[in-house]
Amino acid sequence: SQELEQSPQSLIVQEGKNLTINCTSSKTLYGLYWYKQKYGEGLIFLMMLQKGGEEKSHEKITAKLDEKKQQSSLHITASQPSHAGIYLCGAAYTSGTYKYIFGTGTRLKVLA
Amino acid sequence: SAVISQKPSRDICQRGTSLTIQCQVDSQVTMMFWYRQQPGQSLTLIATANQGSEATYESGFVIDKFPISRPNLTFSTLTVSNMSPEDSSIYLCSVIKLQGISYEQYFGPGTRLTVT
Repeated sequence: SQELEQSPQSLIVQEGKNLTINCTSSKTLYGLYWYKQKYGEGLIFLMMLQKGGEEKSHEKITAKLDEKKQQSSLHITASQPSHAGIYLCGAAYTSGTYKYIFGTGTRLKVLA
Repeated sequence: SAVISQKPSRDICQRGTSLTIQCQVDSQVTMMFWYRQQPGQSLTLIATANQGSEATYESGFVIDKFPISRPNLTFSTLTVSNMSPEDSSIYLCSVIKLQGISYEQYFGPGTRLTVT
């Protein structure tokens, strides 16, 4: 089973609408990263959350990490076509050995 | 910081052949990883490359198909063996480096593989 599940898998919204993407971990997170990617291009780091209850914003994108540190949400306000792409959450797990894995991904399309 | 280069950047290969991808880092790093990203999918961890010993593979990936070497702290190779069209993906090398008291993770530019 996936350790980091994202929902929804894909999303199509009208320009100007708000949207939320969720990332749920099966284990307690020590840090949760959000990235954006257009296929064939590199990962664009958006933000990192470490503390339970933490919230960060960058332009029209806000991300939160819940108090239990097992779920994060990414919220885009007044979406624009430039927000289209694949959004990925990523996290490091250190049980036994260190490994860094990515969520299942959410493909966002914004209609002009 | 760490600057990662991968060779080749892209390749088109025939089924049944093998391709070795190189990952070179400009400084010594703590850990090195290999990921695969199939079209339209997220990144999937293939294995952790261990210096001087066998790589640690994730579920669904085996050494016979994806042999990995890491002869030193700055270099690793991933071989995709006996390729089939299903192996067409972007393969990324990633490293973590100790920065002060925390670790930073960096990603290479990727190798785009197309198998015909």
